Amino acid sequence: DGGITQSPKYLFRKEGQNVTLSCEQNLNHDAMYWYRQDPGQGLRLIYYSQIVNDFQKGDIAEGYSVSREKKESFPLTVTSAQKNPTAFYLCASGRTSNYGYTFGSGTRLTVV
Amino acid sequence: AQSVTQPDIHITVSEGASLELRCNYSYGATPYLFWYVQSPGQGLQLLLKYFSGDTLVQGIKGFEAEFKRSQSSFNLRKPSVHWSDAAEYFCAVVGTMEYGNKLVFGAGTILRVKS
Repeated sequence: DGGITQSPKYLFRKEGQNVTLSCEQNLNHDAMYWYRQDPGQGLRLIYYSQIVNDFQKGDIAEGYSVSREKKESFPLTVTSAQKNPTAFYLCASGRTSNYGYTFGSGTRLTVV
Repeated sequence: AQSVTQPDIHITVSEGASLELRCNYSYGATPYLFWYVQSPGQGLQLLLKYFSGDTLVQGIKGFEAEFKRSQSSFNLRKPSVHWSDAAEYFCAVVGTMEYGNKLVFGAGTILRVKS
């Protein structure tokens, strides 16, 4: 079955450490997206990529970095520069936006 | 800029009662509209989408939505709510070219179902 996989589901890190969240899709979608979700704040776009080897900042890119070396993969690194990294992170992919996005099941990151 | 408004942050309905979740959008052209559902700790699942044609759209899990251009609305409805429908619901519209044609999401409505 085609789908989008995020791993791990739960992640704990110490403050000051970088951490990388994995997102893999086998839907042959060109575009991929990373969102951050905090209680009461809906979905906020961090980064997106519409083609391999290219990506753009979203609304809250500071303290995050991404790469898109393969069509299937779009990992997100939460750096030590992100002041409040504890959140629920969602990855999505899409053929074009007109068809909507397919979402992964999310990674809950807790920084202690 | 395009936007999506979900006026209700929380809604509580009794099991078996009907449901309507409101969504208003701002967009000049014919919009591409979506409703997603999110259970706690999970990703978003597509319920239904509107592209063109019949303004009443049927989705999964017994949901439907009606596109009303004159009111810039795309409200989600279900005739009889089940306890398993308790979740957060997001309305979305495809944004303009200036926004890279990305989806613009509303802030979400949390549905609580009481027995």
